[in-house]
Amino acid sequence: EAQVTQNPRYLITVTGKKLTVTCSQNMNHEYMSWYRQDPGLGLRQIYYSMNVEVTDKGDVPEGYKVSRKEKRNFPLILESPSPNQTSLYFCASSLNGPEGPSTDTQYFGPGTRLTVL
Amino acid sequence: GDSVTQMEGPVTLSEEAFLTINCTYTATGYPSLFWYVQYPGEGLQLLLKATKADDKGSNKGFEATYRKETTSFHLEKGSVQVSDSAVYFCALSGYSTLTFGKGTMLLVSP
Repeated sequence: EAQVTQNPRYLITVTGKKLTVTCSQNMNHEYMSWYRQDPGLGLRQIYYSMNVEVTDKGDVPEGYKVSRKEKRNFPLILESPSPNQTSLYFCASSLNGPEGPSTDTQYFGPGTRLTVL
Repeated sequence: GDSVTQMEGPVTLSEEAFLTINCTYTATGYPSLFWYVQYPGEGLQLLLKATKADDKGSNKGFEATYRKETTSFHLEKGSVQVSDSAVYFCALSGYSTLTFGKGTMLLVSP
């Protein structure tokens, strides 16, 4: 089954304790992206990756890191989480078509609900 | 920069009512436009899309037409069902990024 998986689905942590949220896709997609969803703000892009070893900042990258060492995986790293990073996080992937990856259908993971105390 | 504005919710309808959710956008160039739907407790999934002016996207009884002259992409459905209750997001694409609206919650009662 084609899918994007995220782990963990739920996480409660404390300020300053490094954490990683994993994202994996089995569709051989070149493009992957992380979003955060907050009430009243919709989805905002954190980072994206056009292919292995190619990453770039989205609209709200502060406080986050990513890496893309393999095509299927795109982990999101919070080196020193703070309460303002409490949010619902989504990973997404798509093909990288000739008109750009974001014109293709984005496939979203089920989300990771993060609470930072 | 690019932006998407969609009507605030919640939109509350009775089953079989007509649905319109407004979406307007600001963008440079000629973006592709999307509607994504998020059912409770799930991730987003593509509902429909249109890649150029005057294109009509349709799926599951939902429709939206890419109107370049009014920079709009309004979502419509002729007869909603309880199972359509969800949050609907309008989005536009740059080359490598998607810009989403804030989402509109739809609640359909029997």
